[in-house]
Amino acid sequence: DPKIIQKPKYLVAVTGSEKILICEQYLGHNAMYWYRQSAKKPLEFMFSYSYQKLMDNQTASSRFQPQSSKKNHLDLQITALKPDDSATYFCASSQVGGAEQFFGPGTRLTVL
Amino acid sequence: GQQVQQSPASLVLQEGENAELQCNFSSTATQLQWFYQSPGGSLVSLLSNPSGTKHTGRLTSTTVTKERRSSLHISSSQTTDSGTYLCAIVTNTGKLTFGDGTVLTVKP
Repeated sequence: DPKIIQKPKYLVAVTGSEKILICEQYLGHNAMYWYRQSAKKPLEFMFSYSYQKLMDNQTASSRFQPQSSKKNHLDLQITALKPDDSATYFCASSQVGGAEQFFGPGTRLTVL
Repeated sequence: GQQVQQSPASLVLQEGENAELQCNFSSTATQLQWFYQSPGGSLVSLLSNPSGTKHTGRLTSTTVTKERRSSLHISSSQTTDSGTYLCAIVTNTGKLTFGDGTVLTVKP
């Protein structure tokens, strides 16, 4: 059974629209993260959450908003989508304290 | 400058040969992790090794923290080992900073 679930696997959106990327982890971890990988840049860190609280935010734009409704959920809301937002978004989780991180399968977002 | 540098950028081997991948990092890391990524795939954690030497299967990682370097040795390479190998350091907020990766191609 997959331990980190990301939904949907593929997502196509139009410029200016809003989408929510879903992430759930069943590893019993208390820290969750979002990363982005695009063709133009290497894997880059976006957010880290610990016990449902924001720990680090390296995303310059407020269009990206993480949402943690449950301790094992960390969704990512993206508003006013732009073609440059096209990328694969990975969710990850770990125990707090710099422990080994495990990644989900990713959501591949294409903005037209 | 880039915090994590990996070398070589690409490596081509014949099946059965050994591979040695290098990772140098410029800032203090609380943790260092090696990942494997297949083309179009997700990241698979291979080894978490902040210091010393760790083994798992055909993989051996050696990290020398004082010298800010780590290596990943793959013995008896197989065609299924082909893909991108990523080194990442972890800060105290849990942020992973990745290198650009080494693309490994193992030919039959």
